[in-house]
Amino acid sequence: EAQVTQNPRYLITVTGKKLTVTCSQNMNHEYMSWYRQDPGLGLRQIYYSMNVEVTDKGDVPEGYKVSRKEKRNFPLILESPSPNQTSLYFCASSVRDRVNSPLHFGNGTRLTVT
Amino acid sequence: AQSVTQLGSHVSVSEGALVLLRCNYSSSVPPYLFWYVQYPNQGLQLLLKYTTGATLVKGINGFEAEFKKSETSFHLTKPSAHMSDAAEYFCAVTMDTGRRALTFGSGTRLQVQP
Repeated sequence: EAQVTQNPRYLITVTGKKLTVTCSQNMNHEYMSWYRQDPGLGLRQIYYSMNVEVTDKGDVPEGYKVSRKEKRNFPLILESPSPNQTSLYFCASSVRDRVNSPLHFGNGTRLTVT
Repeated sequence: AQSVTQLGSHVSVSEGALVLLRCNYSSSVPPYLFWYVQYPNQGLQLLLKYTTGATLVKGINGFEAEFKKSETSFHLTKPSAHMSDAAEYFCAVTMDTGRRALTFGSGTRLQVQP
């Protein structure tokens, strides 16, 4: 089954404790992206990757890091989480060369930073 | 820059009634427009998209949307609401073929009353 898998689904942590949210897709997609969803704000892009070893900032990259060492994986790293990073996070992927091709989303990771 | 405005953060309809969810966009060039649906505790799924060609677009689950350039609108409709349509709906626009960033509206939560 074609899917984007995020782990964990729920995460509660404390300020400053480094964490990683994993994202994996099995569709051989070149493009992957991270979004955060906050009430009243919709989804905002954090980082994206056009292919292996190619990453760039989205609209709200502060406080986040990503890496793309393999095509299927695109982890999101919070080196020193803060309470304002409490949010619902989504990983998404798509075929790179077709801008109108749909994004495939994971089921989300709900992060709480206390 | 591109932006999306969804009028009404909550819409409530009776089962069997018409569903109308409003979306207006701003774009300096012809946009690609999408509607995504999010069911509780799930990621977003593509309902339909407009790229080029026919301005009336049909999607899954009986939904359709019409691209009206003169009104910069892309409203989502369904003739007869079903209880299973209760979800949050997001309109999104992209023009940026580089970073593939979708700009999302803030979402409209649809409630369907029996």
